[in-house]
Amino acid sequence: KQEVTQIPAALSVPEGENLVLNCSFTDSAIYNLQWFRQDPGKGLTSLLLIQSSQREQTSGRLNASLDKSSGRSTLYIAASQPGDSATYLCAVQDDYKLSFGAGTTVTVRA
Amino acid sequence: GAVVSQHPSRVICKSGTSVKIECRSLDFQATTMFWYRQFPKQSLMLMATSNEGSKATYEQGVEKDKFLINHASLTLSTLTVTSAHPEDSSFYICSAREGMANEKLFFGSGTQLSVL
Repeated sequence: KQEVTQIPAALSVPEGENLVLNCSFTDSAIYNLQWFRQDPGKGLTSLLLIQSSQREQTSGRLNASLDKSSGRSTLYIAASQPGDSATYLCAVQDDYKLSFGAGTTVTVRA
Repeated sequence: GAVVSQHPSRVICKSGTSVKIECRSLDFQATTMFWYRQFPKQSLMLMATSNEGSKATYEQGVEKDKFLINHASLTLSTLTVTSAHPEDSSFYICSAREGMANEKLFFGSGTQLSVL
């Protein structure tokens, strides 16, 4: 059974600092890995999708890397802003379903 | 990008009543839809997978008679929480996929269910 772990569970940084969020998974036989953003009481916004054959994806200030063999992914958010405050979830897709981590709650202080 | 519409966004009901949540793919045909449940500060847990025209596949520990899933068309799946109780209060999210297993999933905006 796939287990997804996210560290840290919570993170508070001053505005402008770079964020590093970690995700690890136990079974490397995945199709892809996704990073999501979730605002309180809201659904999910997909940020980045990395296919299993890829090493990284970039979108604006976001960069996500994937090391499938070691079961790790890292989400980097450059020059954080208060609007980046949210919970970030990673999820791995194997076979047909997604397995989610518990998330990292990020607070960016103005 | 593809849009998945889920509603209602919030529902409050009395214990013992049934609640239906709809999930629609607006601009694509969803061959597969998924229903997730999320408790506060916990990760999303997959409840069931439904393919259009066939019975849903429930994850272990999910009561299929309690959580009825219908995927009658390629654009609509419904989750009905039957005889809801306070412990069913949770955040429910649907997602949909258009094609192959490795393709991106698109998520609804979620439904906050509160059972009094």
